[in-house]
This record gives sequence, structure tokens and C-alpha cells, in this order.
Amino acid sequence: ILNVEQSPQSLHVQEGDSTNFTCSFPSSNFYALHWYRWETAKSPEALFVMTLNGDEKKKGRISATLNTKEGYSYLYIKGSQPEDSATYLCASLSGNEKLTFGTGTRLTIIP
Amino acid sequence: SQTIHQWPATLVQPVGSPLSLECTVEGTSNPNLYWYRQAAGRGLQLLFYSVGIGQISSEVPQNLSASRPQDRQFILSSKKLLLSDSGFYLCAWSKDRASQPQHFGDGTRLSIL
Repeated sequence: ILNVEQSPQSLHVQEGDSTNFTCSFPSSNFYALHWYRWETAKSPEALFVMTLNGDEKKKGRISATLNTKEGYSYLYIKGSQPEDSATYLCASLSGNEKLTFGTGTRLTIIP
Repeated sequence: SQTIHQWPATLVQPVGSPLSLECTVEGTSNPNLYWYRQAAGRGLQLLFYSVGIGQISSEVPQNLSASRPQDRQFILSSKKLLLSDSGFYLCAWSKDRASQPQHFGDGTRLSIL
């Protein structure tokens, strides 16, 4: 992996269902992995910053895991609600201290 | 609490005209400052970052420039805009480049005609 890649590109989930999506990043020279939520007409909002392999962070119904050896992170949303509709961005900070963003996963919650 | 202000929110400029976008941060000192651009269908691309007054690092060669005349002020400029400069520009700040999140302004939608 040379770039930060997110999948899927977009996702429609029924309200109340749980979902997850993936961020893949270069595992060499890893420093930190950031997750942001970007709602329409607003600015990106930080969710998590993770630095250690095996890290797991939680904020309400949203949680994230990190595997730095294989270069991936998962974001989980439990019991999706309409307000979870947003684009979720991940970004990897490598040794050169440049934060590289993926193109995001656009999540739409269907009421 | 800390706040970040970015203006204008939207801008329509003709090709060849100059550009100045301004970003200011309040409630913190010596922040790291960033300018990003999101072109249509692409992710956020880091354009410039600054760790202190007068210190600017450029990530992508282009006809844009950045300046940091004061601790909490970051300006994105161009002498002559190109069509390819159209996009959504975001300013952000952070206290630490590795372990702290970045906090974004509301963005500027720039359209070049």
C-alpha cells in the first residue's frame, strides 16, 4: 500500500443496523492514524487519533481499531442513526510528518 | 476554547486574477497551521503547513503560496489563478503534528471562471 485507501466508497445502511468500513495505509514508518467525520455543510470533525498497534478507541456508538503491522484500521458504528450520515475520512501520519488523507467513505443512513 | 475562522466562504474569480484566503485561530498559541485543498472527486490534499511564524513548508509545487505573518494567522495566496485552482480549501490547526487531531475551519469554495 503506497497511499491511504478507504472502502467502500459509499454505503447505505438501514437505521438501527451496525456497519463498518476500512482504511488501509502504508505500514512502514507509521506514526499515527486519524479518523474524521465530515458532515455536509460543516467542517471535518476529529473522531479518533490512534498511534499504537492494537489500539481500540470508542466514542459513543462509534469505535475504531488499528493494526499497524498490516496497515489497516476499521471504523465501526453500532445501531446507526440518521445523524451518522456523513463522509468518514481517515488519514495516516508517516515519518515525514505529512498527514495523507483517503478519499473517504460516504455513509447514508436510511430511516 | 479554541476557534478557527476562515474566509471568505465562497469566492468566484476569473482566470489570471490574484487570490488571498485568510485563516485565524483564537484561544491557543504557537499552533501548527495547515492549508488543504479538495478537488472534485478527490481526497484532501495538503498544500502547506507551518510550525511557526515565517516557517512555511510546501507539499505540492504549484502557483499558490502561503504566509504566516503572525502566530495565529495563515494566508493562502496566488498572483495568477489557474482553472485548475478551483476546489474547496480548508484551513486547519493542531497542537502536535503526530498525536493530536487537526481542527478545521469551515472552508472556502473557490470557483475559477
